[in-house]
Amino acid sequence: EAGVAQSPRYKIIEKRQSVAFWCNPISGHATLYWYQQILGQGPKLLIQFQNNGVVDDSQLPKDRFSAERLKGVDSTLKIQPAKLEDSAVYLCASSPLGIGTDTQYFGPGTRLTVL
Amino acid sequence: AQTVTQSQPEMSVQEAETVTLSCTYDTSESDYYLFWYKQPPSRQMILVIRQEAYKQQNATENRFSVNFQKAAKSFSLKISDSQLGDAAMYFCAYTSNTGKLIFGQGTTLQVKP
Repeated sequence: EAGVAQSPRYKIIEKRQSVAFWCNPISGHATLYWYQQILGQGPKLLIQFQNNGVVDDSQLPKDRFSAERLKGVDSTLKIQPAKLEDSAVYLCASSPLGIGTDTQYFGPGTRLTVL
Repeated sequence: AQTVTQSQPEMSVQEAETVTLSCTYDTSESDYYLFWYKQPPSRQMILVIRQEAYKQQNATENRFSVNFQKAAKSFSLKISDSQLGDAAMYFCAYTSNTGKLIFGQGTTLQVKP
């Protein structure tokens, strides 16, 4: 079974530039999550999708971050414009149903450096 | 709001010995789930073990077991017979029934040969 795929693995940009990350979840998983993991901290949920609808985006900085999940499969997360404090690893995860008993499967992450 | 606290930034253990990682959490929910995730350096985060709050019996997965104290809101992870491959960052995490994980700050485990 293929795991969660993410690209790119690394990205370096200047502040105020734009960047986009892509995630392909495990086939058949209804729920997709984007987490932000700042160095030395635990991941923090940015947005949770159930199929192609948003379940929770309460911690997404909506003035600069946007995300979509077209057709309930792949997802993209965009930052525009980037700030220095956006430097982090962005983790995508998926799970079958989006309930407490689910196991979330994580991708390898995209490490973003904003200069 | 729910919170998860890991008070040990770093721990070390001798190979083949036992180590316990601590975690406390705060919630007003009665139905929830607790997890320990492992994040090796530059590798993907994987689930180590889970505990359902309604179960009194502590979860066990091979060399990994938990000590779940619901009243004290404590959820520690015990690793027995530590191996070099256990070296990683370990995260304690909480979820109610929404699936959204709330993570602690993590504990870096070093295993000495």
